[in-house]
Amino acid sequence: AQKITQTQPGMFVQEKEAVTLDCTYDTSDPSYGLFWYKQPSSGEMIFLIYQGSYDQQNATEGRYSLNFQKARKSANLVISASQLGDSAMYFCAMRDAIQGAQKLVFGQGTRLTINP
Amino acid sequence: DAMVIQNPRYQVTQFGKPVTLSCSQTLNHNVMYWYQQKSSQAPKLLFHYYDKDFNNEADTPDNFQSRRPNTSFCFLDIRSPGLGDAAMYLCATSRDIRLRDTQYFGPGTRLTVL
Repeated sequence: AQKITQTQPGMFVQEKEAVTLDCTYDTSDPSYGLFWYKQPSSGEMIFLIYQGSYDQQNATEGRYSLNFQKARKSANLVISASQLGDSAMYFCAMRDAIQGAQKLVFGQGTRLTINP
Repeated sequence: DAMVIQNPRYQVTQFGKPVTLSCSQTLNHNVMYWYQQKSSQAPKLLFHYYDKDFNNEADTPDNFQSRRPNTSFCFLDIRSPGLGDAAMYLCATSRDIRLRDTQYFGPGTRLTVL
């Protein structure tokens, strides 16, 4: 069965530091997509970045980058130069063809707090 | 701006009193989803519409139903809310259901059951 694991329930980081949020996944399907979402206290899920299993390069979107290590089945999110507004819950999610491509399965999330 | 809109943002209902949550989108996406997110948990897919085709997840209780009268709107009906149905309900859309198709979420409706 498809599974996403985020081992860090909470992280505290000083403003302007880089932060890495861990995500490991498990699937037997060679074709899958990995997503990271940010959920502020207001509740909206904000899409950050996507990595496909066949993508040759690690995805980047502004201050966000994805450290994709396929052999290790990890897809860690790196936020460079953290800002106070980055404080939120962060979810790693995956979809694959076996479970049905419509199904986005989420990890349990990591609550990131940026300290001034 | 193209977006996903949910109304109301906060909904209070009584135990057993039917409630309807609304979602609309200006993205003209083919697929609309409803997720349930309980406190301190990850979102869980309830069902989705691919165009007019309704697809229910196997473990979604019968108490939850949905309607999609047109491309832009989708409704979540909870026929007889129980205390355990108190949660954030998130609507999302995607252009298609290929692996690469990003799901874009609305702001959510927080449901309280008294």
